[in-house]
Amino acid sequence: QSALTQPRSVSGSPGQSVTISCTGTSSDVGDYNYVSWYQQHPGKAPKLMIYDVSMRPSGIADRFSGSKSDNTASLTISGLQAEDEADYYCCSYAGSYTWVFGGGTKLTVL
Amino acid sequence: EVQLLESGGGLVRPGGSLRLSCAASGFTFSSYAMTWVRQAPGKGLEWVSFISNGGGSTYYADSVQGRFTISRDNSKNTLYLQMNSLRAEDTAVYFCAKKTDQQEFDFWGQGTLVTVSS
Repeated sequence: QSALTQPRSVSGSPGQSVTISCTGTSSDVGDYNYVSWYQQHPGKAPKLMIYDVSMRPSGIADRFSGSKSDNTASLTISGLQAEDEADYYCCSYAGSYTWVFGGGTKLTVL
Repeated sequence: EVQLLESGGGLVRPGGSLRLSCAASGFTFSSYAMTWVRQAPGKGLEWVSFISNGGGSTYYADSVQGRFTISRDNSKNTLYLQMNSLRAEDTAVYFCAKKTDQQEFDFWGQGTLVTVSS
């Protein structure tokens, strides 16, 4: 149950696009199309942004998109806005009703 | 509106025990599996435990296996986490979260802080 690997930080200017990677193994990210992404503002609860690799829950802006290739998933945020500044966590189902999260990426909007 | 409200956190000595609760409302609690996720201070999220909608199936992260017990009372719309033999590394904010019919968590509580220290 090793954590998925995410960059510690990414940054971008308003209006730009950023991509956050999430690397796992053939036992989690590579084996299941059950990658989800969560946004967490300081002191707040995580919020589901993407599920099943690329699906957006109701109410989530289409500026947020997800993809996966082999053992690496990615979250892309286009048209960056100030309110997008937060920590982002990927999560993958790992089988047998277990899950593994990434270490988190701090997004800074310059 | 879905609401999840955790309680029961606090300061406990190493080796001690604590029981967390998560009161659910706004959805049919008995129809959904639930999970606990924790976050150590300044650290990332860590999945802790899962329980099926009926409570018959439970699973744990290796880090808490044998020390933590997840349970639920569907008549009270409440999820629990019994934590025994607590260690300093268990210090974290503990979130309860509702699992969807797929494999993600769509609603989270605000968390309750557990501090293990002498």
